[in-house]
Amino acid sequence: SQKIEQNSEALNIQEGKTATLTCNYTNYSPAYLQWYRQDPGRGPVFLLLIRENEKEKRKERLKVTFDTTLKQSLFHITASQPADSATYLCALVPGTGFQKLVFGTGTRLLVSP
Amino acid sequence: NAGVTQTPKFRVLKTGQSMTLLCAQDMNHEYMYWYRQDPGMGLRLIHYSVGEGTTAKGEVPDGYNVSRLKKQNFLLGLESAAPSQTSVYFCATYSSWGYGYTFGSGTRLTVV
Repeated sequence: SQKIEQNSEALNIQEGKTATLTCNYTNYSPAYLQWYRQDPGRGPVFLLLIRENEKEKRKERLKVTFDTTLKQSLFHITASQPADSATYLCALVPGTGFQKLVFGTGTRLLVSP
Repeated sequence: NAGVTQTPKFRVLKTGQSMTLLCAQDMNHEYMYWYRQDPGMGLRLIHYSVGEGTTAKGEVPDGYNVSRLKKQNFLLGLESAAPSQTSVYFCATYSSWGYGYTFGSGTRLTVV
């Protein structure tokens, strides 16, 4: 069956450290993968998109990698801040050629001062 | 520029009642979606639309209907609400490749 897996346990880190979140997928051949941030009581907010032929993408303190062999994407936040505390969702387009995102369940990140 | 606006924000329904959730966008996006989000299940696609006058089923369409009579509005209807439809509903829009979805702030629906 097709699955997108993110660690359901919260990730607790100290301010200033690098947070690394993992997204693994099974039985998909995504054209690209996206990451979103979701705060409590709010809708997800788009952060980054990475294509299948890109290994790495950066935006300010954010970095995303995409390994189609391992079927995995890693999402890094460097120099993390308490304001980075939120749930982070990965999502992919199943390669059908149409924009119909499938989402993972998300990982909650808690950054303590 | 409001982006994506969902109404209402909260609603409590009794089993068997009907209601319509409204999604309005002012970004002129062609694609619109309705997702539901449940604990441990993630966001699941209910219905979507690729343009005015079109609709299609997503992953979990049963018990829901949709309409897109105008490009800027996407309506989600529950004809006979069931407790299993208790959830947070999100509307999203999409314009073009290379960008992500724009989500509304959600509607929290409780069916008792």
